[in-house]
Amino acid sequence: QVQLQQSGPGLVRPSQTLSLTCAISGDSVSTNSAAWNWIRQSPSRGLEWLGRTYYRSKWYNYYAVSVKSRITINPDTSKNQFSLQLNSVTPEDTAVYYCARESPNWGFFDYWGQGTLVTVSS
Amino acid sequence: AIQLTQSPSSLSASVGDRVTISCRASQGISGALAWYQQKPGKAPKLLIYAASSLDSGVPSRFSGSGSGADFTLTISSLQPEDFATYYCQQFNSYPPTFGGGTKVEIK
Repeated sequence: QVQLQQSGPGLVRPSQTLSLTCAISGDSVSTNSAAWNWIRQSPSRGLEWLGRTYYRSKWYNYYAVSVKSRITINPDTSKNQFSLQLNSVTPEDTAVYYCARESPNWGFFDYWGQGTLVTVSS
Repeated sequence: AIQLTQSPSSLSASVGDRVTISCRASQGISGALAWYQQKPGKAPKLLIYAASSLDSGVPSRFSGSGSGADFTLTISSLQPEDFATYYCQQFNSYPPTFGGGTKVEIK
């Protein structure tokens, strides 16, 4: 059974960097079939896909256009986890952030982390 | 990006009712659609993928249908634990996108 455990601060100051980590159990971040995603949810934007990382003989990353200039998703093979960094945050980045596994060879999300409410406020 | 429009945005129903939720895509997505259930304070839970395939452990009262641009989620006999918000998601093309949700409330 795959489990995703999120960690990171719930309050970030404007213009600072939002950083979250998603620890994986029951699968490997280096798997050649699944992909590892970050998704956020807010009342104004609904569910919004942010980006993903995956390994297919080398590492690939894809990001949403809306955050492409500010986002980095990194795998950490030594700890079997992946992370999200979102730079230069504003109050509009306030949301519940989820990590999720993209099902092997498909494009839907079959396992989710518990969610982290991140508030951007001074 | 492909837009998904769900209708209705909310509905009130009683235990035992048959409930249908619609999801329309802004362009054809073949059968690349998933449905999720979300309860307050929890992450979305996968119910159906590939338009009509039930995820493991999901009760058989849930079913999905459709292809192209029009899809439906049906709950054949609503149970107390089914009161939640339901989302569709397309994975035909990048970026993956979600519908705005349908909240199922107790009548």
